[in-house]
Amino acid sequence: KAGVTQTPRYLIKTRGQQVTLSCSPISGHRSVSWYQQTPGQGLQFLFEYFSETQRNKGNFPGRFSGRQFSNSRSEMNVSTLELGDSALYLCASSWTGGAGSTYEQYFGPGTRLTVT
Amino acid sequence: DQQVKQNSPSLSVQEGRISILNCDYTNSMFDYFLWYKKYPAEGPTFLISISSIKDKNEDGRFTVFLNKSAKHLSLHIVPSQPGDSAVYFCAAVQLQGAQKLVFGQGTRLTINP
Repeated sequence: KAGVTQTPRYLIKTRGQQVTLSCSPISGHRSVSWYQQTPGQGLQFLFEYFSETQRNKGNFPGRFSGRQFSNSRSEMNVSTLELGDSALYLCASSWTGGAGSTYEQYFGPGTRLTVT
Repeated sequence: DQQVKQNSPSLSVQEGRISILNCDYTNSMFDYFLWYKKYPAEGPTFLISISSIKDKNEDGRFTVFLNKSAKHLSLHIVPSQPGDSAVYFCAAVQLQGAQKLVFGQGTRLTINP
């Protein structure tokens, strides 16, 4: 079974630009979550999509947005990029069968975004 | 507000010895806990998990202990191997609630030969 894929793997943008990152979950997984990883901050939760609906949201400004398509693929968009947005952006998918089920998430390799 | 904390940013252990990674949490509503391992240039990979109704879960060389009264969990790796060198993240989730994973900051484990 193919794993979670993310594109692109590396990206360099300048301040003020916008960026779109893509994530393809494991086949059959309906939940896709996005995380930002920066040194010393661990993984900060951005949002989660389940069946094309945003189910959870972290504490990030509105410049960060996402969506999920009917095939469960997801995109994340960051507008008006700031230097502090430089980070590794990770996507994770899970089956999420409901409350009480195991909650292991499977991560993609991430997209390394550098804002200059 | 860091609900899940890994207070040791790094840990160095001799090959063959026991590695103990610690994690504390503040939200008593968390009822499921997970450990992930991350190598450079790769996404985190799931390692082991434990439900709040248990106090121990074992999988090969990896054992996770949960002390609910202390809001503390730990990951034991015995014996430690060079391939265990990675960053380890603990995570917690409230299965009956928002169901979003909350991660700690990570601990970099280095196994010395």
